[in-house]
Amino acid sequence: NAGVTQTPKFRILKIGQSMTLQCTQDMNHNYMYWYRQDPGMGLKLIYYSVGAGITDKGEVPNGYNVSRSTTEDFPLRLELAAPSQTSVYFCASSYGGPETQYFGPGTRLLVL
Amino acid sequence: EDKVVQSPLSLVVHEGDTVTLNCSYEVTNFRSLLWYKQEKKAPTFLFMLTSSGIEKKSGRLSSILDKKELFSILNITATQTGDSAVYLCALSSNTGKLIFGQGTTLQVKP
Repeated sequence: NAGVTQTPKFRILKIGQSMTLQCTQDMNHNYMYWYRQDPGMGLKLIYYSVGAGITDKGEVPNGYNVSRSTTEDFPLRLELAAPSQTSVYFCASSYGGPETQYFGPGTRLLVL
Repeated sequence: EDKVVQSPLSLVVHEGDTVTLNCSYEVTNFRSLLWYKQEKKAPTFLFMLTSSGIEKKSGRLSSILDKKELFSILNITATQTGDSAVYLCALSSNTGKLIFGQGTTLQVKP
C-alpha cells in the first residue's frame, strides 16, 4: 500500500494562476480531508468528504474547490491563487471517522 | 465557536528534562482528543483519549484527559534531542472533523 500520496511536492504559482493539488489513497477509506498549515500554526480544515460524491466545507474553504468522483481521489483546486494561500497543504484519509487519519507527505505552495 | 488552545507555544529544554504540554478546549461535543507529533513533515499519531482520568502511556510519553476542567496534558520524561518537534492537539468532533490547536514547538538541546 502506498497510503496517501500527494502531488506535487512543491510548486510556485503567480498571483491569479490556478492549479490542482492531487491526493490519492489506496486504503479504500471513505473519509478524506484537505488541510492547510501556515508557519507556526496548527492544521486548518479546508474541505472534507465522507464518501464519493459528498463534500463539505471546513474552517477555511474560501478560494478553494474540491470534488470527489471516486473513493481514491480528492483533488483540491485553487482557481485564482493569492499570496494568502502560501502554505503547506496536507491531504488525509480515514475509515469511519476522523480519529485514525493517515496523512500524506504534504504539498508546499508558494504564491508570488 | 469550537476552539482548541495549546500552551506554551514554544519551549526550549535540555536533554533529560521533563516537559508538560497543555491543551485546553472549548468544544461542546466531541468524540476524542488526539495528540500528534510533527517533525517537518506530516503529523504522526501519538495518543487518542476518550475517557477522563485514564492515563495513556507509550515509553517516555504519557497523556491524560480531564473532561471536567476541559484540558489534556502531554508529558515527556527524560527528553531527548529526537523529541524536538511540534506537538499538536486535536479534537474529533461529532461532525466528522478534527479541530487542531496551534501546536507547541519543543526544542530539546543536548
